[in-house]
Amino acid sequence: DVKVTQSSRYLVKRTGEKVFLECVQDMDHENMFWYRQDPGLGLRLIYFSYDVKMKEKGDIPEGYSVSREKKERFSLILESASTNQTSMYLCASSLGQGERDIQYFGAGTRLSVL
Amino acid sequence: DAKTTQPNSMESNEEEPVHLPCNHSTISGTDYIHWYRQLPSQGPEYVIHGLTSNVNNRMASLAIAEDRKSSTLILHRATLRDAAVYYCILPGANNLFFGTGTRLTVIP
Repeated sequence: DVKVTQSSRYLVKRTGEKVFLECVQDMDHENMFWYRQDPGLGLRLIYFSYDVKMKEKGDIPEGYSVSREKKERFSLILESASTNQTSMYLCASSLGQGERDIQYFGAGTRLSVL
Repeated sequence: DAKTTQPNSMESNEEEPVHLPCNHSTISGTDYIHWYRQLPSQGPEYVIHGLTSNVNNRMASLAIAEDRKSSTLILHRATLRDAAVYYCILPGANNLFFGTGTRLTVIP
């Protein structure tokens, strides 16, 4: 079974802190994704990556950056956390089959910025 | 980018069939239709996908309209464990819009 592991289930940070959310997948998947999920807004794509050291902006990249130095690891970085970044963050990976691609999600990290 | 429209919520009695609709009137000829579900306190999980023909797997069936402008996810016998938010998406190139999905409540 594919496993996508997010480093923390719950995280509490202060405004202005630099925050790292880590995601690791164990199936040698090409693609990795970061979403945030907020009540009434559904899942929104922040960034995705189709290869090592490659990144593409999603729908809401402002205030975030990402890093993919190794194929299995995709990090989401909040350079200076703000209260409006309090949310559930979900990481996903996929094999890279275009239209038929299936995404596998982690359990999520609930981030609170105080 | 093609988007989907789903009802916000639906209810079903336990052990009865459930038909979850999705409209995708702007679907293109090459867009696959994917369904995911999200159980409470978990990340979404893949359910089923299809292009033109109806599809069956151990979790559900997917019925796709002949004009492909709509589809229906069918749970043949709803259980309490099927209570979740169900998302219908068209994952074309750079189009991973999940929206808010349909919240399914299963009544014992």
